Amino acid sequence: GAVVSQHPSWVICKSGTSVKIECRSLDFQATTMFWYRQFPKQSLMLMATSNEGSKATYEQGVEKDKFLINHASLTLSTLTVTSAHPEDSSFYICSARGGQGDNQPQHFGDGTRLSIL
Amino acid sequence: AQSVSQHNHHVILSEAASLELGCNYSYGGTVNLFWYVQYPGQHLQLLLKYFSGDPLVKGIKGFEAEFIKSKFSFNLRKPSVQWSDTAEYFCAVRMDSSYKLIFGSGTRLLVRP
Repeated sequence: GAVVSQHPSWVICKSGTSVKIECRSLDFQATTMFWYRQFPKQSLMLMATSNEGSKATYEQGVEKDKFLINHASLTLSTLTVTSAHPEDSSFYICSARGGQGDNQPQHFGDGTRLSIL
Repeated sequence: AQSVSQHNHHVILSEAASLELGCNYSYGGTVNLFWYVQYPGQHLQLLLKYFSGDPLVKGIKGFEAEFIKSKFSFNLRKPSVQWSDTAEYFCAVRMDSSYKLIFGSGTRLLVRP
């Protein structure tokens, strides 16, 4: 089946640091990638949707300048948390879908646990 | 606002018991419905999906779900659970032609051997 690789799986860093998370589709071309955030015991909340080669579409309440998304190729999207603070600590999950049809499912990465000290 | 509700946050069952997990959504238009499963330490995996046609959908591993439009529900069922079904289950809804998925808060299922 389709595989989405997310890296790193866990990162701990100091407040004020910028952190980059990569999301790769390993065996298919991802025309659309999604970034989610999951707080403990809560649901996945969509942060943004990115299509290859175009600017990401952010959900209401998500700061574009804080969470920079780049989808430069059909197999790679990155999320950069700029000047991260403890409140940004969370579990970040990416997903990817290929093709244009409505029936194309989203395939999920394993997630990245971000801890800001 | 559009939302997806999973009312059971934690469910504990013994092996061979029957399972039903509730999922309700609030949206009056066209929906596509999904159930995802996340086994411990693994990523989300698609269990089954409904787009159109027969409202009773069969998925992998013996799971099924029924779309009842009048109740805005898409409950997940399995006649006889196994210990290996221990996982967290998420209901998700896609509304109209959007690619966005809106997830429920998840249900943690623990099956005792």
